Amino acid sequence: TQLLEQSPQFLSIQEGENLTVYCNSSSVFSSLQWYRQEPGEGPVLLVTVVTGGEVKKLKRLTFQFGDARKDSSLHITAAQPGDTGLYLCAGADITNAGKSTFGDGTTLTVKP
Amino acid sequence: GAVVSQHPSWVICKSGTSVKIECRSLDFQATTMFWYRQFPKQSLMLMATSNEGSKATYEQGVEKDKFLINHASLTLSTLTVTSAHPEDSSFYICSANPGTAGTQPQHFGDGTRLSIL
Repeated sequence: TQLLEQSPQFLSIQEGENLTVYCNSSSVFSSLQWYRQEPGEGPVLLVTVVTGGEVKKLKRLTFQFGDARKDSSLHITAAQPGDTGLYLCAGADITNAGKSTFGDGTTLTVKP
Repeated sequence: GAVVSQHPSWVICKSGTSVKIECRSLDFQATTMFWYRQFPKQSLMLMATSNEGSKATYEQGVEKDKFLINHASLTLSTLTVTSAHPEDSSFYICSANPGTAGTQPQHFGDGTRLSIL
């Protein structure tokens, strides 16, 4: 059974601060996705990382995939209240019928 | 981009009622769709994998007679919660992969909030 540990589970910061969310596993994934979800809505895809060591940037968000494709991080620079939400990492395994393994989620609150 | 539509978005009904939730891929075909359940401030819990033209694959602990899944076409999967009770109240979300499962990220519907009175 593949497990994906996500930390921290809850994070409350002031506007302008930086933060990092981590996802770690002992399993290798074909790819890893980061999603953001707002209350009452479905998760929205932020990024997919596929290659070990890959770094992707999306405005103030930086995503990194570990060299061994077992872990990933999401770094947000100068957080804004609009960044508030539930962040989910998900590892996909092409050998497992396309199922994704989800982390436990990080609830981020950015206070103005 | 890939769009997944889920309907209805909100259901309130009496205990004992059966409720059907639809999940449609609007601009791509999906041989596989996934159904999740989510509790407040928690991650997604996979309930079952819906396979077009064949039986769904249920995760351990999920009652297949309680949560009926039908995937009759390449763009539509349905989840029916039979004889729903208050403990079935939750947020149900579907997802689908465009292309070969596992090579493309999952795209999610907007979810269905089910409240059983």
